[in-house]
Amino acid sequence: GAGVSQSPRYKVTKRGQDVALRCDPISGHVSLYWYRQALGQGPEFLTYFNYEAQQDKSGLPNDRFSAERPEGSISTLTIQRTEQRDSAMYRCASSYIPSLDWGYSGGYNEQFFGPGTRLTVL
Amino acid sequence: ELKVEQNPLFLSMQEGKNYTIYCNYSTTSDRLYWYRQDPGKSLESLFVLLSNGAVKQEGRLMASLDTKARLSTLHITAAVHDLSATYFCALSPTSGTYKYIFGTGTRLKVLA
Repeated sequence: GAGVSQSPRYKVTKRGQDVALRCDPISGHVSLYWYRQALGQGPEFLTYFNYEAQQDKSGLPNDRFSAERPEGSISTLTIQRTEQRDSAMYRCASSYIPSLDWGYSGGYNEQFFGPGTRLTVL
Repeated sequence: ELKVEQNPLFLSMQEGKNYTIYCNYSTTSDRLYWYRQDPGKSLESLFVLLSNGAVKQEGRLMASLDTKARLSTLHITAAVHDLSATYFCALSPTSGTYKYIFGTGTRLKVLA
C-alpha cells in the first residue's frame, strides 16, 4: 500500500486481557515509531525502531508494554494485562532515513502516520 | 523536562481573517514539523523546518522557525472553512534521539 497501515482499527477488550496492535510501515522505510494519543492531546512517544533494533523505549509507560519488529518491517505493540487507563488511540509512524547518521546538515526524519488503532479497555 | 507549548489552544475565526499560531519549545532543536489533523483522521504532514530562519509556505499557510527564540509560527492568511482542523507542531531534540515531541495542539475553527 501507499501509506502506513494499522490493524485492527478498533479494539475493545476487557480489563486484564492482552492485546497486540500491528503496524505495517511504508515500504522501504527504515524507522518505525509508536505513539499514544489521548483524546484532545498531541501524540506521546512510546518507542521506535531502526530496522529491527529497538533504539529508544523510554516512552513505554511500564513493563506491561512491549514492542517488536523482528524482520525490520511489520511491528507489533503488545499490552499485557490491560487496564482502563490504557484506553487511547495508538498510532504508528514510519520514516525513510537514507543514512542512520541523519544528524548531518539537511538530514531529517519526516514521519508519516498511520490511521491508528482505537483501543478501549472495559 | 522537554516541553512544547502551543497557543492558542482553541481558535475560532471568521473566514477571510489572518491569524498566527505559536509553538514554543524548551530544548535545543533545529528540526521542527507542523502537522494537521482532521477529526477522526490521522496526522498529515504540512511543513518541515530545518534551520534557523526557515520559512515555508503552502497556500494560505506559512510556517517559520526561530531557533534562537525557540519559537515557530504558523500563519494563516485569509482563512477559509477548509482550514478547520487541529494543528500540531512537533520537534526532534538535537540530543540525537529521533522521537518527536508534540505540542498541545491548536484546534482551529473557521466560521463561514
